[in-house]
Amino acid sequence: KAGVTQTPRYLIKTRGQQVTLSCSPISGHRSVSWYQQTPGQGLQFLFEYFSETQRNKGNFPGRFSGRQFSNSRSEMNVSTLELGDSALYLCASSLGGLDTEAFFGQGTRLTVV
Amino acid sequence: DAKTTQPNSMESNEEEPVHLPCNHSTISGTDYIHWYRQLPSQGPEYVIHGLTSNVNNRMASLAIAEDRKSSTLILHRATLRDAAVYYCILRGPLRAGNMLTFGGGTRLMVKP
Repeated sequence: KAGVTQTPRYLIKTRGQQVTLSCSPISGHRSVSWYQQTPGQGLQFLFEYFSETQRNKGNFPGRFSGRQFSNSRSEMNVSTLELGDSALYLCASSLGGLDTEAFFGQGTRLTVV
Repeated sequence: DAKTTQPNSMESNEEEPVHLPCNHSTISGTDYIHWYRQLPSQGPEYVIHGLTSNVNNRMASLAIAEDRKSSTLILHRATLRDAAVYYCILRGPLRAGNMLTFGGGTRLMVKP
């Protein structure tokens, strides 16, 4: 079956702009989580959506937002981009539950200049 | 969230077994122990998970201490493809959702 698909793979934006990243989970998976990975901070949890509801949110400013559609596809948006937002953004999908595995996409590499 | 402690890096020779340790002294009775790894330029991938008993799958084995305060991921024969960062993660009560809290992980280097 198809894996988790993230688009676009690479993106270059200018400071102050906004960006929308997309994630298509594995068919049947209702949980979608987003993570930010930087060399300095490692992998950090952004938020999780389950059946179109945000279930959990990490410690990020309000410029970071997301949503999930009825087909479980998810988008995350970052407004007023800062240089420090340059990172690899990863999406993971799962069936849900503590004993289930998460499947990660290849990520979107965002560069803010 | 309960925390995990892993060595920053480890080295192994190709085709030899590798034991990657993880300490989680504050684990609660309902925490599952998950392992993920991240190969260069890829997203993390699931390796194995367990609750109380040792677990085996096609990728690795997970040995859990009797008091559950530590665990060890065992790669039976390391290959060059196993060079990655390995993360030991505790997944707590369901109310915390499906989030994964990643620490620094252990960078495994495999020498030919």
